[in-house]
Amino acid sequence: AQSVTQPDIHITVSEGASLELRCNYSYGATPYLFWYVQSPGQGLQLLLKYFSGDTLVQGIKGFEAEFKRSQSSFNLRKPSVHWSDAAEYFCAVGPRNNAGNMLTFGGGTRLMVKP
Amino acid sequence: DAGVIQSPRHEVTEMGQEVTLRCKPISGHNSLFWYRQTMMRGLELLIYFNNNVPIDDSGMPEDRFSAKMPNASFSTLKIQPSEPRDSAVYFCASRNTGPSSYEQYFGPGTRLTVT
Repeated sequence: AQSVTQPDIHITVSEGASLELRCNYSYGATPYLFWYVQSPGQGLQLLLKYFSGDTLVQGIKGFEAEFKRSQSSFNLRKPSVHWSDAAEYFCAVGPRNNAGNMLTFGGGTRLMVKP
Repeated sequence: DAGVIQSPRHEVTEMGQEVTLRCKPISGHNSLFWYRQTMMRGLELLIYFNNNVPIDDSGMPEDRFSAKMPNASFSTLKIQPSEPRDSAVYFCASRNTGPSSYEQYFGPGTRLTVT
């Protein structure tokens, strides 16, 4: 069965510092990969996605993620964090034959930003 | 574009009562999803519809839960009878199943508390 692991439940970084959120997946084949962000009291918003091609993908709000097949990872990065980035971040995977529908989400990483 | 609309935003009910959660997807989207989010289990897909037809309800926890989509602009998730362990945030999401369109758009959620 597919699974998504986000090892860090909470992360605190200082404003302006760089950020990396980890995501590892277990899947029969390379799935489609997503990162979503959830601000307090809000629904989830798509940050970026990977389907194929260049393994470094750019998303909204200055985020990027790198797919590493050998490590079954899809880590999210941002070079300089802003206070408004404080939120919960979810990695998700979906099968290539039904990627838009059957998403499996990781447990989430809550990001706190220190001034 | 109003986005995905959910009502109510908060619901407090007593154990044994019937609860109905409502969702209006984005106009033109033809897939609709119901998710449940809890601290213990994270974000789980309960059921999804394509063109108003339930496609996969394997995530529905038990017979107390039912979902309907009578038309393209409205869906309900009903719990009858409700139990304290049903307390969670329930999200509705929708997407357009056009080619290369995999993003799910989430509503703000309904926070359900069963006492």
